[in-house]
Amino acid sequence: NAGVTQTPKFQVLKTGQSMTLQCAQDMNHEYMSWYRQDPGMGLRLIHYSVGAGITDQGEVPNGYNVSRSTTEDFPLRLLSAAPSQTSVYFCASSYRQGPDSYEQYFGPGTRLTVT
Amino acid sequence: AQKITQTQPGMFVQEKEAVTLDCTYDTSDQSYGLFWYKQPSSGEMIFLIYQGSYDEQNATEGRYSLNFQKARKSANLVISASQLGDSAMYFCAMRDGGGNKLTFGTGTQLKVEL
Repeated sequence: NAGVTQTPKFQVLKTGQSMTLQCAQDMNHEYMSWYRQDPGMGLRLIHYSVGAGITDQGEVPNGYNVSRSTTEDFPLRLLSAAPSQTSVYFCASSYRQGPDSYEQYFGPGTRLTVT
Repeated sequence: AQKITQTQPGMFVQEKEAVTLDCTYDTSDQSYGLFWYKQPSSGEMIFLIYQGSYDEQNATEGRYSLNFQKARKSANLVISASQLGDSAMYFCAMRDGGGNKLTFGTGTQLKVEL
């Protein structure tokens, strides 16, 4: 298994440009999420999905769109990049191991800089 | 709303000593879970240990143990016999009652010294 993969690893955008961060998992996990990590703030949830066709907003959704057309893929779209979106982005997937356990598997991250 | 507090921005420990990283949480959910992740300088998030809110015994994984005190709403990570490779950022996180959404603390930077 490749686990959770993210592309690209690094990206530089100009203000106003749009782009899509890709995330894929080959573990047949039902849950997928996007987080951003800013210095001194830990990781914050952007959007998440509980299955194909079902998505919802997290703590910091503004400026981002997601869709989940397949179980495997969960792309994150930046509609019009802003310097405040400079961050490291992590995709994660998880499944319910038991009645009280959801281990999350993280991708390697995408480092995005918006100038 | 859920909240995770890590009050130690940085910690130092001597090699082979034990160290405790603090984590307190706040939630109104009856069912929740607590995670600890390690993030080395290379940037990946490495799962260390998990404690469910209904687990009566403290979770252990090798040199890692989670000191879960439900009444005090704390979930401290204990690393025994520290190694140089333990130097990293450590994050405490909480799963919401419904499923897969995690709330993270701000992290503790641990440095292991000779």
